[in-house]
Amino acid sequence: DAGVIQSPRHEVTEMGQEVTLRCKPISGHDYLFWYRQTMMRGLELLIYFNNNVPIDDSGMPEDRFSAKMPNASFSTLKIQPSEPRDSAVYFCASRYYLDTQYFGPGTRLTVL
Amino acid sequence: AQSVTQLDSQVPVFEEAPVELRCNYSSSVSVYLFWYVQYPNQGLQLLLKYLSGSTLVESINGFEAEFNKSQTSFHLRKPSVHISDTAEYFCAVIANSGNTPLVFGKGTRLSVIA
Repeated sequence: DAGVIQSPRHEVTEMGQEVTLRCKPISGHDYLFWYRQTMMRGLELLIYFNNNVPIDDSGMPEDRFSAKMPNASFSTLKIQPSEPRDSAVYFCASRYYLDTQYFGPGTRLTVL
Repeated sequence: AQSVTQLDSQVPVFEEAPVELRCNYSSSVSVYLFWYVQYPNQGLQLLLKYLSGSTLVESINGFEAEFNKSQTSFHLRKPSVHISDTAEYFCAVIANSGNTPLVFGKGTRLSVIA
């Protein structure tokens, strides 16, 4: 398997623009997680899905953030409108039940 | 709910010296434990895990961790570190009964000095 795939790897945008981050989990995995990592706040869980259903989105910082998982092979994290403080590395991860959780390589987002 | 405390945010150590990265957890139920490593500009990778059985678990690159239930600890050790071990290390815990996310510690930055 190719592992968890994220795109784009790098994104530079201007404040106020919409940003969409994409994730393809490992085939067969039933959990999908979105994290954000910054120097100041460390690794934060934003939202997670089980069988494509959002289970807990309490980590989503504001209504500007939204996430969807239309099928078992694809998820998006959208920020609209983006702000400079959203600059971070965003990770997607997936796992099957209680087995090992695998992380993608991350998307480095810079909002100018 | 579970929580993880990594007692050291940064650990500098000379090459070929031993190192221990400390991890304590809190949980009212039985747990599985993990150590993840993050090299610069990369995602987190599993280093080793404890699910059941022997309380001493090892990784392929010489790290080991011991599950101590009485002390609620899962410290990571390596007898001789290399420059290439420089990375951030995260301890994580999950209840073995439920469909919950991993709970991560804040990480320990290991810097190996030549």
